[in-house]
Amino acid sequence: AQSVSQHNHHVILSEAASLELGCNYSYGGTVNLFWYVQYPGQHLQLLLKYFSGDPLVKGIKGFEAEFIKSKFSFNLRKPSVQWSDTAEYFCAVNAGSGYSTLTFGKGTMLLVSP
Amino acid sequence: SQTIHQWPATLVQPVGSPLSLECTVEGTSNPNLYWYRQAAGRGLQLLFYSVGIGQISSEVPQNLSASRPQDRQFILSSKKLLLSDSGFYLCAWSVGVREGGGYTFGSGTRLTVV
Repeated sequence: AQSVSQHNHHVILSEAASLELGCNYSYGGTVNLFWYVQYPGQHLQLLLKYFSGDPLVKGIKGFEAEFIKSKFSFNLRKPSVQWSDTAEYFCAVNAGSGYSTLTFGKGTMLLVSP
Repeated sequence: SQTIHQWPATLVQPVGSPLSLECTVEGTSNPNLYWYRQAAGRGLQLLFYSVGIGQISSEVPQNLSASRPQDRQFILSSKKLLLSDSGFYLCAWSVGVREGGGYTFGSGTRLTVV
């Protein structure tokens, strides 16, 4: 079974700072990788996803993530954060073949101060 | 377009009382359906999933059960709630792993057992 590890539980940044949230997964086969975001009081929303192809994936609101297969990593990045990026971010993985449920990391709470 | 409805939004129940949370999906057929529990600092824990009517898979032993009486309806139940059942319950649906397996989440139910 797959597992996901998110390195930081809480991150505090000032506006315009660069962001990188770490995500490592454990699974020996091909994977689909996701980042979800939960803004305060809102639903979980898909930020971006990787299935195959270009390992650098661009998502909504200027976020991107890079799949590094050799490191089993899928880190989320944004060059310049805004106060509105304050949210909880979840990395998730499922197997890339057959049927597999989505396994989530424990989440990283990002607080951006204005 | 597809939508997912989950209710109630909040619920306060005494210990030992029964529970029924309902989730319905519109705009798609034969979805995969999921119940997750979200706890602060612990991420999202998959409780149950269903790939078809009457088909329920349980991921962890729980004081909870799930049923899928109709194609687009998924119900989370308990006969006698425990204090430890308090949490934020999320319903989700997906079309399948070939489409990347990404999930769409409902707005959640905040359950407090007192």
